[in-house]
Amino acid sequence: DTGVSQDPRHKITKRGQNVTFRCDPISEHNRLYWYRQTLGQGPEFLTYFQNEAQLEKSRLLSDRFSAERPKGSFSTLEIQRTEQGDSAMYLCASSSPLAGVNEQFFGPGTRLTVL
Amino acid sequence: AQKVTQAQTEISVVEKEDVTLDCVYETRDTTYYLFWYKQPPSGELVFLIRRNSFDEQNEISGRYSWNFQKSTSSFNFTITASQVVDSAVYFCALIEVVTGANNLFFGTGTRLTVIP
Repeated sequence: DTGVSQDPRHKITKRGQNVTFRCDPISEHNRLYWYRQTLGQGPEFLTYFQNEAQLEKSRLLSDRFSAERPKGSFSTLEIQRTEQGDSAMYLCASSSPLAGVNEQFFGPGTRLTVL
Repeated sequence: AQKVTQAQTEISVVEKEDVTLDCVYETRDTTYYLFWYKQPPSGELVFLIRRNSFDEQNEISGRYSWNFQKSTSSFNFTITASQVVDSAVYFCALIEVVTGANNLFFGTGTRLTVIP
């Protein structure tokens, strides 16, 4: 399967714990995005990388959130001191300028439940 | 600021009926892209179509068709002869090009249920 993959698919944690999610984009895609989707809502943008550079961050990305893409390939999203309000689906997407303007391909998501 | 409105929260139709999902957008950019994505129960967003702001031609792909009207800032999606497999949440989304934002801005989605 050459699509976007995310790991884990589900994560249950207790409030106050740290969690880390991983996203592997489509191999030739240099752009990578993180979105958050809460129940009954559309995905909301969190952050965007072009290669290893983090170029945009939403105001939704509080200082408890950090994202990295150290070698311009996979990316990690870490949430520190989780809160119940962090419970959501975290979606990763990737795109390539060669594939058409901002046609983003999404992974299956990581569903986070904070107890 | 940009805004995407999908006023229909939920729609139910009987199989083989036609259904139209509405999308109204707001943007100050003169150059932008509009998208429709499908999110089946499995959760993965599936790209359906992209349309740029300069191309108002309607598009048909099989049972799917899209009607883009800049005059009313609408980008509606019609499924003809609906099938049970069409049951999903459908999202309309916008990217503004001139402002340089690279992220998709989504509406709140319309949940379509096709009853056999």
